[in-house]
Amino acid sequence: GNSVTQMEGPVTLSEEAFLTINCTYTATGYPSLFWYVQYPGEGLQLLLKATKADDKGSNKGFEATYRKETTSFHLEKGSVQVSDSAVYFCALSGSNDYKLSFGAGTTVTVRA
Amino acid sequence: NAGVTQTPKFQVLKTGQSMTLQCAQDMNHEYMSWYRQDPGMGLRLIHYSVGAGITDQGEVPNGYNVSRSTTEDFPLRLLSAAPSQTSVYFCASSRPNYGYTFGSGTRLTVV
Repeated sequence: GNSVTQMEGPVTLSEEAFLTINCTYTATGYPSLFWYVQYPGEGLQLLLKATKADDKGSNKGFEATYRKETTSFHLEKGSVQVSDSAVYFCALSGSNDYKLSFGAGTTVTVRA
Repeated sequence: NAGVTQTPKFQVLKTGQSMTLQCAQDMNHEYMSWYRQDPGMGLRLIHYSVGAGITDQGEVPNGYNVSRSTTEDFPLRLLSAAPSQTSVYFCASSRPNYGYTFGSGTRLTVV
C-alpha cells in the first residue's frame, strides 16, 4: 500500500536559517504529493503540492520537487521566520484515489 | 467563509457514552473523510465517503460509524467511547486533483 516516511523531529532553528524536511514515499503508479502545515491549535492547511514527476510546488517561500527517481518530496525554505513554527506533514494520494496517506509530522520551532 | 465546519471544538466523555461529531462543508465537494491525530502517528483515516449514500472504512474504523445522507454533512458517531479514542479528530473534504480542506478539529477526551 501507499506510505510516507518523513524526517523525525523536533527541529529547532534560528531565524533566517535554512530548513529542510525530508520526505520519501512508497506508492504504485503516479501519486500526487502534498505538504500540509498545522499551526498551534489549528487544523491542517495545504502548503504546496505537486501532481507529476519533476513538478515543483511552492508557496510562502517553501519549495518541494517531486523526484520520482528517488521517491522523494523534500520540503525546503531558505530563510525561516518565527512565524514558520508549526508541524509539517508530508502526504500522498494514489493515482485516481482521493485518500491521503500522511507522514508522522515534523515539529519545527524557529527561535528569534 | 466557505470551508469545513466541525462541532464541537472540545468534548469530554465518560467511558461507555456515545456521541456524534458533526462535520459540514459548503463547497459541494464529493469526497469527505474523518481522521484522528495522535502524537507521533500523524493522521490516520477512520472513514471516508465519495458521495452521498456511499461510505467506506479507512485504517482505524473500529468503534466509529458514519453516514452520508447529503453532500454537505458527514457526521462521525462514537458508539461506546473508550479511553483509546482520546484524540483530536479532523474532518476534511476534497474534489478531484485538489488538495484537502480541513476543519479546525475536535479535541475529544474520554475519561
